[in-house]
Amino acid sequence: EVQLVESGGRVVRPGGSLRLSCAASGFTFDDFAMSWVRQAPGKGLEWVSGINWPGDSTRYADSVKDRFTISRDNAKNSLYLQMNSLRAEDTALYYCAREGGAYCGSASCHNVGMDYWGQGARVTVSS
Amino acid sequence: DIVLTQSPGTLSLSPGERATLSCRASQTISSSYLAWYQQKPGQAPRLLISGASNRATGIPDRFSGSGSGTDFTLTISRLEPEDFAVYFCQQYGNSRYTFGQGTKLEIK
Repeated sequence: EVQLVESGGRVVRPGGSLRLSCAASGFTFDDFAMSWVRQAPGKGLEWVSGINWPGDSTRYADSVKDRFTISRDNAKNSLYLQMNSLRAEDTALYYCAREGGAYCGSASCHNVGMDYWGQGARVTVSS
Repeated sequence: DIVLTQSPGTLSLSPGERATLSCRASQTISSSYLAWYQQKPGQAPRLLISGASNRATGIPDRFSGSGSGTDFTLTISRLEPEDFAVYFCQQYGNSRYTFGQGTKLEIK
């Protein structure tokens, strides 16, 4: 059974730092790209960052670029999000999600999307 | 950046009825990179549809997706009580994902 378990969420002061972790199990972790997606209270989903399976290519939303750093440790089946210079608008539930990659049927290929999600880690930025 | 606009914001229907949810992109996107998710209160999102029309594993066949170019649709043929939730569309392009703002499907 695929499981993604986030940890590290807490209350932090504006300007502070925090590191989220996501422990993966039930699948071959280094076969898949991974992403972080956040959801502010009562709001929609916002993709935050993604990383390829070897960990040498990363992507960021403009809203977090140069403040957040995504990384992974394939030996530990873990995904991380280092968050610096935190702002009130970073307050959200942070989900880690597996990117399912490409699926090719008999006629065509398509991107699978985010096929597994954790339950989220709550981050509150407040003084 | 590509913007996804979902309509309506809220859809009020009764169990057994048909639901049609729309997702419109600000520019043409590849249907291969269009997905739909369902989210219930207090739960993580769940993948329903990928590649615009391919149901994810375990998703009932009352859920179907269609569309191309800039206009995409999620259809639920006969609503079950457990289908009342928020639905998000998502696209992948230029190495980043974008979500629509969501459609809340509520019981009438």
